[in-house]
Amino acid sequence: AQTVTQSQPEMSVQEAETVTLSCTYDTSESDYYLFWYKQPPSRQMILVIRQEAYKQQNATENRFSVNFQKAAKSFSLKISDSQLGDAAMYFCVLQGGSEKLVFGKGTKLTVNP
Amino acid sequence: ETGVTQSPTHLIKTRGQQVTLRCSSQSGHNTVSWYQQALGQGPQFIFQYYREEENGRGNFPPRFSGLQFPNYSSELNVNALELDDSALYLCASSFLGTGEETQYFGPGTRLLVL
Repeated sequence: AQTVTQSQPEMSVQEAETVTLSCTYDTSESDYYLFWYKQPPSRQMILVIRQEAYKQQNATENRFSVNFQKAAKSFSLKISDSQLGDAAMYFCVLQGGSEKLVFGKGTKLTVNP
Repeated sequence: ETGVTQSPTHLIKTRGQQVTLRCSSQSGHNTVSWYQQALGQGPQFIFQYYREEENGRGNFPPRFSGLQFPNYSSELNVNALELDDSALYLCASSFLGTGEETQYFGPGTRLLVL
């Protein structure tokens, strides 16, 4: 079975500061993908960043970057220069061995002005 | 490029009724996946459709069924609705076959069963 664990139900950050969201996962697959999606109150699930497990280099998308530790099965998301629009529920997601996505329970991020 | 769309946005049904939710995939995509998101939870995989056939199913009973049409749009049908079926239903489209199979989500349909 594949599992994703997000141990931080809620996090808060000051505008312009940096925050890191944690995620651990478990899979027996050797080839898999990891994602962070955000879901603002509008409910639309939006892709933030994608990481292929075979790539050692950590993915980066503008202010968003990941720290992928394959041996530890850890996949954290760092948001730099946080903006009010970053406030949302963030889901860590695993895709491996099949096409289905396995979601964590989410971390609610609040950005304080 | 057209994104993923879903209809309706909201729906209220009573227990025992049947419901059909619709999803149009992003242009160029050939696969649609459906997820159920209960309040305060992460989405749970219901099933996926590829080339008009079911291509994987999660732990949902047979009263959850689906279709995919030649234009790659899809329907999710739920029979004999139960109160616990109240949730946000998300569909996601992707292109299966290139190795880059990221799923892109629609805005969801909020279903309330009374």
